Amino acid sequence: EVQLVESGGGLVQPGGSLRLSCAASGFTFSQYWMTWVRQAPGKGLEWVANISQDGSEKAFVDSVKGRFTISRDNAKNSLYLQMSTLRDEDTAVYYCAHFRLHSSGYYFFDYWGQGTLVTVSS
Amino acid sequence: QSALTQEASVSGTVGQKVTLSCSGNSNNIGSYAVGWQQQISHGAPKTVMFGNSLPSGIPDRFSGSKSGTTASLTISGLQPEDEADYYCSTWDSRLSAWVFGGGTKVTVL
Repeated sequence: EVQLVESGGGLVQPGGSLRLSCAASGFTFSQYWMTWVRQAPGKGLEWVANISQDGSEKAFVDSVKGRFTISRDNAKNSLYLQMSTLRDEDTAVYYCAHFRLHSSGYYFFDYWGQGTLVTVSS
Repeated sequence: QSALTQEASVSGTVGQKVTLSCSGNSNNIGSYAVGWQQQISHGAPKTVMFGNSLPSGIPDRFSGSKSGTTASLTISGLQPEDEADYYCSTWDSRLSAWVFGGGTKVTVL
């Protein structure tokens, strides 16, 4: 059974930093692109960042470029999101998700974790 | 403002067929397949459609299709457990970003 378990969320002041983790199990972690998606209170889903299987390719939504970094440790089956210079608008539940390369040749979001809440407030 | 446009809400009775739409442009839906996520009571999202293919474990009353720059998710035979928010998603080559629709709330009357 695929499991993605996020941790590391909490309350942080504006301008502060936080590191989120996602522990993966039930699949060969090193073979999949991984991603972070967030959801602000009462709002829809927003893609944040993704990372290739070996960590050599990374992409970010414009609003977090230069402030967030994504990384992974394939030996530990873990995904990370280092967030710095946090703003009020970064307040959200952050979900870790796994991308699947479908037989159609397209990538899709596949399995999702339960999420971890990040609250940026003074 | 989301890159993909979805109805805010759709409702139906048990057993009814409902169709959700997701409208985009040539940079996203017109060029790439669309996935659909279900989110029940703000819990973890769950993927219910890969383009027009069902993920394992998803009932076959769900189906997906696409025509031009609009994708659709149809629930044939609506069930009480289908009450949820549904989001469409795809890649946008102009934005170089994964984009989601604003979500459609499905209510089972």
